[in-house]
Amino acid sequence: QITLKESGPTLVKPTQTLTLTCTFSGFSLSTSGVGVGWIRQPPGKALEWLALIYWDDDKRYSPSLKSRLTITKDTSKNQVVLTMTNMDPVDTATYYCALPLRGGAFDYWGQGTLVTVSS
Amino acid sequence: EIVLTQSPGTLSLSPGERATLSCRASQSVSSSYLAWYQQKPGQAPRLLIYGASSRATGIPDRFSGSGSGTDFTLTISRLEPEDFAVYYCQQYGSSPTFGQGTKVEIK
Repeated sequence: QITLKESGPTLVKPTQTLTLTCTFSGFSLSTSGVGVGWIRQPPGKALEWLALIYWDDDKRYSPSLKSRLTITKDTSKNQVVLTMTNMDPVDTATYYCALPLRGGAFDYWGQGTLVTVSS
Repeated sequence: EIVLTQSPGTLSLSPGERATLSCRASQSVSSSYLAWYQQKPGQAPRLLIYGASSRATGIPDRFSGSGSGTDFTLTISRLEPEDFAVYYCQQYGSSPTFGQGTKVEIK
C-alpha cells in the first residue's frame, strides 16, 4: 500500500524559511524511474506544481520559484524534503507531496498540510 | 512554460446530464502528457485520466478523456451525485503546470 504524508510547521513568519518533509511508504526512491513531487494550493485557488526529485537525484523546479526552492531526498528514511526561502503571506497554502507513476501524472497524494505565513 | 486554460470556469448541470470540460494549452503538449484530476472540498486531488485518454485505476468508465496537441476534453457521460467537484487538467512535460480548474456544480 502506497502512502505519503507531509509534515512541517503550520505557521511561519514572513522572510523565514519553510521546511516540509514528505514521509512515504510502499515504494522506494532508489527504484529506477521513481520520483516524488510537491504541489501547493492557496485557499480557494488552483494547484501549482513546485518541484520534483527522481531516483537518480535529478531535480526539477518551477521556473517562477526556482530561486527559492530546494528539494532533497533521504532514501534510507523514505523521505523527501522541500525548503522554500523568504516566505511571504502569498505563500499561504496547502502543500502536498505526490507520487508520479504514469510518466508524470500524480497517482498518489498525501493529505496535504496547511502552511500559513503571518507575523 | 505551458499555460493551460480551462473552460468554462463553472458548469451548472443536473445529475444524469453530460459534462464536457475543456483544457487548452498555450503550446503543444508532448506525447499527450495530459492528465485530469477531480478534487472535492478538503480532499487531495484524485487522478482520473492520464496520457490524455487512459483512465486511472478504479475510475468509472463514465469518465473519458480525449484530445491531442493543444486541445483536450474531459467528458463525464452521466453525472452522478458524487461527481460534483472541481476538475483540473495538468500537463506533465519537463515543467508541469495545472489549469485553473472547472467547478461542476448542481443546477
